[in-house]
Amino acid sequence: GAVVSQHPSRVICKSGTSVKIECRSLDFQATTMFWYRQFPKQSLMLMATSNEGSKATYEQGVEKDKFLINHASLTLSTLTVTSAHPEDSSFYICSARDPRGTNEKLFFGSGTQLSVL
Amino acid sequence: AQSVTQLDSQVPVFEEAPVELRCNYSSSVSVYLFWYVQYPNQGLQLLLKYLSGSTLVKGINGFEAEFNKSQTSFHLRKPSVHISDTAEYFCAVSEGGGSYIPTFGRGTSLIVHP
Repeated sequence: GAVVSQHPSRVICKSGTSVKIECRSLDFQATTMFWYRQFPKQSLMLMATSNEGSKATYEQGVEKDKFLINHASLTLSTLTVTSAHPEDSSFYICSARDPRGTNEKLFFGSGTQLSVL
Repeated sequence: AQSVTQLDSQVPVFEEAPVELRCNYSSSVSVYLFWYVQYPNQGLQLLLKYLSGSTLVKGINGFEAEFNKSQTSFHLRKPSVHISDTAEYFCAVSEGGGSYIPTFGRGTSLIVHP
C-alpha cells in the first residue's frame, strides 16, 4: 500500500530555535497533505491543509507565522516550528491523500515527537 | 461541524476475549465513519470505513463495526483479541461527499493481557 514517511521521529531542541519536520509520499504524488498535532490522551487536531504549489490553509487558532508549511513538490511537505517554546512540545503527524482511487484514502506518517526544553 | 466521542480512554482485556470500543459522533449532515489503528512508533493505519450501504462493515485483522444512525454510533468489535491487537484506536468522522478531512476522537488504548 501507499507509504508516507515522516522525519525525524523524535527531536529535542532548545527554546527559541526552529525545527523542521518533513513528510514525504514515497510511491504516489500527493497534491494535498495534512498536518495534525496530538497532545497526550487527546485527539489529533488538524492544524493545516497543505496544497502543492499554493499557500497552506490553516485551521482557526493555528498561528501561520509560528507553524510554517511548505509544499514545494508533489511528494514533500514540510512543517517548520519557528522560535519553538516548551508549549509547542507535542506529537505532530502528517498525512497525505492518495489521488489514485477514491478521495477518502488518507495515509499517515509515523509522527514526530517534539520536545522543547 | 462534526465531533467524535470515544468514551473509553483505555480498555484492558484478556487474550481471546471479545472486545468493543465505543464511538459516538455528532453531525448535522450525512457522515463517513472510520476506525484507524496506531501501533507504537508507527503511523495511523485504516482498519475499516463506512461510506454507504450495509451498516455492518468488516475490516482488517478480524475487526468489524456497525453504523447505527439512530444512536449516532460506530462501535468497533472483535470476537477474540490477540496480544498483537494492543494499540491505540481512533474513531474518525468526515462529511459525506465533502472534503473527506476527518475529525478524530481522542483515541482508545486497547491493552490485551495474556
